[in-house]
Amino acid sequence: DTAVSQTPKYLVTQMGNDKSIKCEQNLGHDTMYWYKQDSKKFLKIMFSYNNKELIINETVPNRFSPKSPDKAHLNLHINSLELGDSAVYFCASSPPGYNQGHGYTFGSGTRLTVV
Amino acid sequence: DQQVKQNSPSLSVQEGRISILNCDYTNSMFDYFLWYKKYPAEGPTFLISISSIKDKNEDGRFTVFLNKSAKHLSLHIVPSQPGDSAVYFCAASDSNYQLIWGAGTKLIIKP
Repeated sequence: DTAVSQTPKYLVTQMGNDKSIKCEQNLGHDTMYWYKQDSKKFLKIMFSYNNKELIINETVPNRFSPKSPDKAHLNLHINSLELGDSAVYFCASSPPGYNQGHGYTFGSGTRLTVV
Repeated sequence: DQQVKQNSPSLSVQEGRISILNCDYTNSMFDYFLWYKKYPAEGPTFLISISSIKDKNEDGRFTVFLNKSAKHLSLHIVPSQPGDSAVYFCAASDSNYQLIWGAGTKLIIKP
């Protein structure tokens, strides 16, 4: 049973298109995140949702819009895709605080390639 | 401004020997540190953590050491095994529980 699952795993699309990436967690965690791993391999937070409320939005272009229908789901919609959006996007979830240090649980990532 | 730095992009170690991965940070307000391991085409998975009130935490073959005065932590893996070959990320958090990540170190265990 996958704890944090995101789909699709790979996504190749043309510039200007609109696409969505879905994420679901079955851990009962309160907080979910979207991270972008850039070409230099840094993991940078994009959004965080706690019980369906946005609590972080780190200078991400407004072409990116997170949507959380319930606390088990956090989808990422991207409008007017640009070449620079090509990256690996990771969804993650966490319990309140760090639950004795176990931190985040990540999905396996979505590799987005914009051509 | 990189608050968490892993200066070695890669490290190669003989199987059975000790692997030492290093991480430096700049923000003295960080109070919790974590190491994650990542295999290709998978998300990072939690490995081990340490609170700023401790200087050592051990879990089986994995030990994390924290030197607060030097703002430095290290992950020791002994003995190293082929399955340890992966990218290791260091992460730090402050009281707001936001994680700041290093760029990762690719560990290669040679048979």
